[in-house]
Amino acid sequence: DTAVSQTPKYLVTQMGNDKSIKCEQNLGHDTMYWYKQDSKKFLKIMFSYNNKELIINETVPNRFSPKSPDKAHLNLHINSLELGDSAVYFCASSPLEGTFRYEQYFGPGTRLTVT
Amino acid sequence: GENVEQHPSTLSVQEGDSAVIKCTYSDSASNYFPWYKQELGKRPQLIIDIRSNVGEKKDQRIAVTLNKTAKHFSLHITETQPEDSAVYFCAASESGAGNMLTFGGGTRLMVKP
Repeated sequence: DTAVSQTPKYLVTQMGNDKSIKCEQNLGHDTMYWYKQDSKKFLKIMFSYNNKELIINETVPNRFSPKSPDKAHLNLHINSLELGDSAVYFCASSPLEGTFRYEQYFGPGTRLTVT
Repeated sequence: GENVEQHPSTLSVQEGDSAVIKCTYSDSASNYFPWYKQELGKRPQLIIDIRSNVGEKKDQRIAVTLNKTAKHFSLHITETQPEDSAVYFCAASESGAGNMLTFGGGTRLMVKP
């Protein structure tokens, strides 16, 4: 009955590799997000995506790309991994914009370590 | 873009005391202000939120106040308990802009028994 799930929970990889993190939500939500939490616990939005548009935080390198096969999934692809990409990545989802319900529900996080 | 400042960064209180965490935001278009609690190694969990058409909201021991003119909002926890110990984040967003949340830097709350 997990609302927002992510796989894998832990990901250890070497610099230069390409990796993906998967996210799925069973809440029927229309908007999904990716956030990055660094070692100092700062939480930063990376992407917001619904079936109409993708909004990208301008500070996110283009090595990061979200891909949504359907409304319930938003995967994060990272190319040419760098040491600074090490962080915890959280997926989140929220109801359809315009429903006046803005609460976001977070997944359990994926701890990415780049060596 | 939006900028959210949160204070204090750490807060230590005695069990039973009240705790107050304050945030300021920069974008007057922001109209949704949630608070999240994150326990060690866990996901952020929404504990309370407030919309800009409301000045105060309360849920049991937790309350949030919003001053739109001054662009600041606060979280109040009364009768703190050891299980309230966690990192608390405030955030702000503007509906219609993808609902992207801008988070404050977090407050580590420690409740001493």
